[in-house]
Amino acid sequence: SAVISQKPSRDICQRGTSLTIQCQVDSQVTMMFWYRQQPGQSLTLIATANQGSEATYESGFVIDKFPISRPNLTFSTLTVSNMSPEDSSIYLCSVEFQGTYNEQFFGPGTRLTVL
Amino acid sequence: AQRVTQPEKLLSVFKGAPVELKCNYSYSGSPELFWYVQYSRQRLQLLLRHISRESIKGFTADLNKGETSFHLKKPFAQEEDSAMYYCALLSWGGKLIFGQGTELSVKP
Repeated sequence: SAVISQKPSRDICQRGTSLTIQCQVDSQVTMMFWYRQQPGQSLTLIATANQGSEATYESGFVIDKFPISRPNLTFSTLTVSNMSPEDSSIYLCSVEFQGTYNEQFFGPGTRLTVL
Repeated sequence: AQRVTQPEKLLSVFKGAPVELKCNYSYSGSPELFWYVQYSRQRLQLLLRHISRESIKGFTADLNKGETSFHLKKPFAQEEDSAMYYCALLSWGGKLIFGQGTELSVKP
């Protein structure tokens, strides 16, 4: 089965700084998504990462705050910009493989704490 | 509006007891629903989906369009079933809408 990895696994950051999270898959995927899970909350979709074009953001999320790149079919990054303590969350990438018919596979998550 | 509701934040049962984790949805079209599970210190993973109509680890879930429900059931809970369970609805563009999650605790 495919391996989905995220870097870093966790980080503690200062207010006002930015952090870039990487998601790497060892085989080509059709879809890549970024989710946020705030403490004690469920998963909320931030955006769909589109290969070679701008990401598609959900209501309440904007590119200036969460810029996303997806340069190829196996890699994506999510940047959390100008962080505040409210950005403390677990950030997860998920992917969909061709032929799996809408089944999403999740990365291990990145636990971010903003002081 | 598309929405998934899991009314129970925590469900605690004894080993061997039946389990039902509730999930209700709001969706205007024909829904596609999933149950995801997250065991302690593991990543979120798919448990089952309604279109496959299969039983995984003894769990089943039936889509009831009349009641807009997709409850997860197991006749005899095991301690290893203790985990966080999320019901999810497939939306357009392949997006998943997740419920709030139910923590299942199975006591010996």
